[in-house]
Amino acid sequence: GAVVSQHPSRVICKSGTSVKIECRSLDFQATTMFWYRQFPKKSLMLMATSNEGSKATYEQGVEKDKFLINHASLTLSTLTVTSAHPEDSSFYICSASSRDPYEQYFGPGTRLTVT
Amino acid sequence: GQNIDQPTEMTATEGAIVQINCTYQTSGFNGLFWYQQHAGEAPTFLSYNVLDGLEEKGRFSSFLSRSKGYSYLLLKELQMKDSASYLCAVMDSNYQLIWGAGTKLIIKP
Repeated sequence: GAVVSQHPSRVICKSGTSVKIECRSLDFQATTMFWYRQFPKKSLMLMATSNEGSKATYEQGVEKDKFLINHASLTLSTLTVTSAHPEDSSFYICSASSRDPYEQYFGPGTRLTVT
Repeated sequence: GQNIDQPTEMTATEGAIVQINCTYQTSGFNGLFWYQQHAGEAPTFLSYNVLDGLEEKGRFSSFLSRSKGYSYLLLKELQMKDSASYLCAVMDSNYQLIWGAGTKLIIKP
């Protein structure tokens, strides 16, 4: 159990366009979802934490108008990268947890390349 | 500030034992996690320590010393498939995971 999916797994987009990444918890209700970004050979960087039905909490230095997060249901959160630039190219990973903060289940990640 | 330190890269031989160290300084402590991450994939959970001592799980063991801010992951009977990055993460007082940069483990035949 505790499966989290992400879609798409890979996406290439042109500079200036927007890209939406979906994160779904398939067999449990995720009260909290986390969005991470990881650059090559670097640590996971938490971008934001979202609780179902409320606004996401963004980490310092993450532009909330650029990285739009919606957690509309207990099984779905979306991250939209608006007006993407090449420096936004990265590996984006979501994780989800139910009420237990110690259990985070990770999605398979989305490789975003902005040309 | 909060800091997690682990070696950037280690090399070991198939069948041998390797120990990956992690030291941390965080605001509060609610446990330390080890994850395995293969290239281009999301991390997968390996272990969780919140009390001092050694937790053994098959070929993998994890040790914690809270007074020293120190943990290690011990991998025995190394297999080629163990080649991956190993991430140390600490849950702070806000129940947020603070991540190390990961240790890339290279296994040689």
